[in-house]
Amino acid sequence: AQRVTQPEKLLSVFKGAPVELKCNYSYSGSPELFWYVQYSRQRLQLLLRHISRESIKGFTADLNKGETSFHLKKPFAQEEDSAMYYCALRGTDKLIFGTGTRLQVFP
Amino acid sequence: GAVVSQHPSWVICKSGTSVKIECRSLDFQATTMFWYRQFPKQSLMLMATSNEGSKATYEQGVEKDKFLINHASLTLSTLTVTSAHPEDSSFYICSAREWRTSGVGQFFGPGTRLTVL
Repeated sequence: AQRVTQPEKLLSVFKGAPVELKCNYSYSGSPELFWYVQYSRQRLQLLLRHISRESIKGFTADLNKGETSFHLKKPFAQEEDSAMYYCALRGTDKLIFGTGTRLQVFP
Repeated sequence: GAVVSQHPSWVICKSGTSVKIECRSLDFQATTMFWYRQFPKQSLMLMATSNEGSKATYEQGVEKDKFLINHASLTLSTLTVTSAHPEDSSFYICSAREWRTSGVGQFFGPGTRLTVL
């Protein structure tokens, strides 16, 4: 079965502090992992995916198959990073989401 | 970029009536569309997956006779909530996958807020 776990519902940091949003997954095969972001009153949008190994808006995420994790990191948080972040997994055809973590960045 | 629209953006209906929600891919062809449901401050729960021209595949626990899905063309899918009840009140989000980049190109609509009185 596909499962995505985001243990933190809320993460609050001050501007300039490092951020790590945790994501663990369960899947027997080789999954595709994604991070989606939803800013206030906006639709869900793709932030990054593990295949591309890219950095978007300063965020990076590394797939650790040994720990079945795909944590999202940013060294210096900005106020505009405040949003809901969802980790997602695609195993077969469908995209399954974690419960999400709300990131609050205070000035 | 690829755009997915939903109509209506919000709807209020009486208990027992049916409500249809449309999902369109505006500038690409979507071989597969997904319908999600999101309760307040909760995650997106996949309801069903539909491929153009075939029957939708529903997730466990989702009543297919209550949530009718039609994917008649590569740019349109509809979700009809039949005999709606207050517990069906929720935020419904569709997502469309572009056929050429099926591994990556999954785009989300803005959602439809359904309130059943």
